[in-house]
Parts: sequence; structure tokens; C-alpha cells
Amino acid sequence: GQNIDQPTEMTATEGAIVQINCTYQTSGFNGLFWYQQHAGEAPTFLSYNVLDGLEEKGRFSSFLSRSKGYSYLLLKELQMKDSASYLCAVRDRGSARQLTFGSGTQLTVLP
Amino acid sequence: EAGVTQSPTHLIKTRGQQATLRCSPISGHTSVYWYQQALGLGLQFLLWYDEGEERNRGNFPPRFSGRQFPNYSSELNVNALELEDSALYLCASSLEAAPLHFGNGTRLTVT
Repeated sequence: GQNIDQPTEMTATEGAIVQINCTYQTSGFNGLFWYQQHAGEAPTFLSYNVLDGLEEKGRFSSFLSRSKGYSYLLLKELQMKDSASYLCAVRDRGSARQLTFGSGTQLTVLP
Repeated sequence: EAGVTQSPTHLIKTRGQQATLRCSPISGHTSVYWYQQALGLGLQFLLWYDEGEERNRGNFPPRFSGRQFPNYSSELNVNALELEDSALYLCASSLEAAPLHFGNGTRLTVT
């Protein structure tokens, strides 16, 4: 099975930088995904890591360490619209393609 | 390009009834995934269909079932509805091992 942990809530100030951590335990590993979900909306794909290191996409970056079972999502130059739930998800190794999701981190950006 | 579409947007049923939820994947995507998101909880994996076959199912009772049609659209059926089945049901699609793309969901309320 898989176990994914991420903080329940975080608060940050507009213009600041915030790091959302995710730790996972899995019998196999075939990629880690980050999604953003605004209240009442569909989750939208942000980033994907399968190898160790940092992936950068504009204001968003995601880091992976497979040996530590650890990832983080870094959001720079925070904007009010970044207030949302951020979901960490893992794909297991093998033929299964579904993702296992953490419970999500609710980020509130304050003015 | 049209995204993943789900219908209906909202569905109200009485305990013991059956519910049918529908999903149309992004054009060209052959895999469809169903997730349940209960209030305040993370996404729980229900079912994965690919090329018309059920490939994997999550830890849900058999009264949760579905199918995938030749055009890759999908139905989720929930029989003998219980109050705790009230949740947002999200459908996602993908092409092979690419990231999942989600629809806006069907809000099921069981009274």
C-alpha cells in the first residue's frame, strides 16, 4: 500500500515564498505529481517528478528525493489566486496507472 | 480542445436508490479514472478503465461499479445508496502514463 503525508493547512503572505512538503511510503514508485484544487473546482495538474531533483515551471517548482521519500512544491511571488488546496499524489510502479493522493494542503494567501 | 466532461453536475438521491454518473474523456485519451472526494477528505481511488476493460479498483464495495464504452466514455454506477456515499465524484482521463486530467465532478447527495 501507499501512505502520503502533507500538512493540512498553511498560511503565507502575498508576494512571499511558500514550501509545501510531502512525504510518502510506497512499495514501488513511478512518479510524484502535484495538483492544485480551488474550492468547488477540478484538480489541475501542476508538476511531475520521476527522477531526483528540481523541476521548475514559472513561479512553481517541485523537488523530489526518492531515497528519502520526500517531495516539496515551492510557490514563489505568491498571489491571492494561489489560495487553494495542493494535492500530492504518487503513482506506484507496475501496470497500475492510477494515482494515490494525499489529503491535500489548504494554502491561504493573505494580503 | 475540450476537457473532461461529467454529467450531471449535481444529483440528489434517496438512500437505497441507484445513481449513474457519466464521463467523457479528452479526445484521444483511452484511460478513465473515477475518484471519490468526500467533504474534507482526500481523493479516494475508485476505478480505472482502459480500452474498455476494468484494470484496477480501489477499496470500495462491489455496489460501486462501472463500465467504459467503445468511444472511451464511462459510467459509474452506485447501487443501494448509503448516506456516506454523499461526495464529489471526479472523473479523470489520460493517455497511457501521462498525467491525469480531471473533470469538474458530479456532486452526489444522498438523503
